[in-house]
Amino acid sequence: RKEVEQDPGPFNVPEGATVAFNCTYSNSASQSFFWYRQDCRKEPKLLMSVYSSGNEDGRFTAQLNRASQYISLLIRDSKLSDSATYLCVVNKVKAAGNKLTFGGGTRVLVKP
Amino acid sequence: DVKVTQSSRYLVKRTGEKVFLECVQDMDHENMFWYRQDPGLGLRLIYFSYDVKMKEKGDIPEGYSVSREKKERFSLILESASTNQTSMYLCASSLVAQETQYFGPGTRLLVL
Repeated sequence: RKEVEQDPGPFNVPEGATVAFNCTYSNSASQSFFWYRQDCRKEPKLLMSVYSSGNEDGRFTAQLNRASQYISLLIRDSKLSDSATYLCVVNKVKAAGNKLTFGGGTRVLVKP
Repeated sequence: DVKVTQSSRYLVKRTGEKVFLECVQDMDHENMFWYRQDPGLGLRLIYFSYDVKMKEKGDIPEGYSVSREKKERFSLILESASTNQTSMYLCASSLVAQETQYFGPGTRLLVL
């Protein structure tokens, strides 16, 4: 089982619609969770951190479910500019030091 | 804003050549990372460094080495390039190891 798993998509979303997708992680001791956004042929950039209580940033809402070991991202009122690959990122707790582990990404295509 | 720069956007090398990829960050970050990104495999950590002259192996260190002589600079070295090292290489830095990472624009390396 991969440490961080995501549905690769693509999720084809009509402009203005809502889309949501999940990411599962295998290490129950993981403590930090993030969503990064990666545009085609560009570097990943932090979209938002994910807090235990859930958090919202404009049209984006992130949730953490520790019991089932997944995080989710919901995008409301999708814009064409939301088309990107969304990477789920989880910290990897290890004796030698913490590292981040990236999921393979979920591709979202917003269409007019 | 944090700025992470990489020495080349595109590189073409021949099998057996020694390849140097340079990364520089301007935010006095302690931690620096080298990843490779391949379709279907996501970002995989090659090496990281949490201090000058310190380095730790990531998940796929074979065939690579690194150098961190100065805090702002982290170099990835392919001692003898092979075709299976054709990939997108991304450098990142962070203030705290398990928190937000800032990425450079990436280097697309083609090994013929």
